[in-house]
Amino acid sequence: NAGVTQTPKFQVLKTGQSMTLQCAQDMNHEYMSWYRQDPGMGLRLIHYSVGAGITDQGEVPNGYNVSRSTTEDFPLRLLSAAPSQTSVYFCASSGLQETQYFGPGTRLLVL
Amino acid sequence: SQQGEEDPQALSIQEGENATMNCSYKTSINNLQWYRQNSGRGLVHLILIRSNEREKHSGRLRVTLDTSKKSSSLLITASRAADTASYFCATSPTNTGTASKLTFGTGTRLQVTL
Repeated sequence: NAGVTQTPKFQVLKTGQSMTLQCAQDMNHEYMSWYRQDPGMGLRLIHYSVGAGITDQGEVPNGYNVSRSTTEDFPLRLLSAAPSQTSVYFCASSGLQETQYFGPGTRLLVL
Repeated sequence: SQQGEEDPQALSIQEGENATMNCSYKTSINNLQWYRQNSGRGLVHLILIRSNEREKHSGRLRVTLDTSKKSSSLLITASRAADTASYFCATSPTNTGTASKLTFGTGTRLQVTL
């Protein structure tokens, strides 16, 4: 099993550009989530999903959209990138055991 | 706002010593988990303790939970240089509708020197 995969690993955007961060898991987990991690801080929840077709907002959802059309994939869309969205983004999934499995992260720099 | 707050923010010890880090949280929880993050990497799950448990062990890790004080501690015994990482507590609040939704603390940076 590959676990949780994220692409790209690193991205540079200009202010106002849009992009999609990809996340996929092959563990048949129902729960998936997106976090951002800023220097010296813990992870803050952006959006999460408890199953295909169901998404909800986390602590810091503004400027981001998500969709969950399949159990495996949970893409995160930045609608119009801003410098404040410079961060490291982590995707995670969880099954019945409630422990979360994290992807390797995407480093995003918005100029 | 962060549900969990770790203490201390940074800890430096020598190899072979024990490392203790603490986590305080604000609301009732289903469970509390500890994760490790090596520099530049994703988080790795270490241990989960449920709200009706008081202590749990896994190898060199010992976790305690005091729900009356809304606090938890993580003890790493006989530390090794490879334990150098940031450690985060994460709580699953009871009022979120799913036990999988976690709120993370700000982390403790542990440095283990030879």
